[in-house]
Amino acid sequence: DAGVIQSPRHEVTEMGQEVTLRCKPISGHDYLFWYRQTMMRGLELLIYFNNNVPIDDSGMPEDRFSAKMPNASFSTLKIQPSEPRDSAVYFCASSRVGYEQYFGPGTRLTVT
Amino acid sequence: GQQVMQIPQYQHVQEGEDFTTYCNSSTTLSNIQWYKQRPGGHPVFLIQLVKSGEVKKQKRLTFQFGEAKKNSSLHITATQTTDVGTYFCAGSGYKLSFGAGTTVTVRA
Repeated sequence: DAGVIQSPRHEVTEMGQEVTLRCKPISGHDYLFWYRQTMMRGLELLIYFNNNVPIDDSGMPEDRFSAKMPNASFSTLKIQPSEPRDSAVYFCASSRVGYEQYFGPGTRLTVT
Repeated sequence: GQQVMQIPQYQHVQEGEDFTTYCNSSTTLSNIQWYKQRPGGHPVFLIQLVKSGEVKKQKRLTFQFGEAKKNSSLHITATQTTDVGTYFCAGSGYKLSFGAGTTVTVRA
């Protein structure tokens, strides 16, 4: 398996623009997680899905953030409109129930 | 809500020395996982502990889960430059929660 795939790997955008991050989980994994990592706040869980259904989105910072999982092999995290404070590395991870999480390589987002 | 605290935040180690990083939870955990993130990389799973008092070893790394299932430790012996990175614990109670991590640097 290719592991968790994320795209793009780097994204630079201007404040106010819409940003869409993409994730393909490992086949057969029924949990998908979105994290944000910054120096100040560390690794934060934003939202996670089980069998494509959002289970807990309490970590989503505000309404500008939204996440979808239309099928078992694809998920998106959208920020609209983006702000400089959204600059971070965003990780997607997947797992089977009760097992370890496999992280993707991350998307480094810079909002200017 | 559940919080997982890790200490120390930074660990500067002389090559060849031992060190320990600690993880403490405010609530009882069903299990705990440890991850390592190399600089510029992504977290990579190391191990999962499930049973009270459980001890597991991976070469020079020793992981322990407390009797009350509220704390855990990672002990590394004879530190090498390959041990550089940030070590995270992640507690799985009602909600998975990552600690802030211990960032390890090694002096050759």
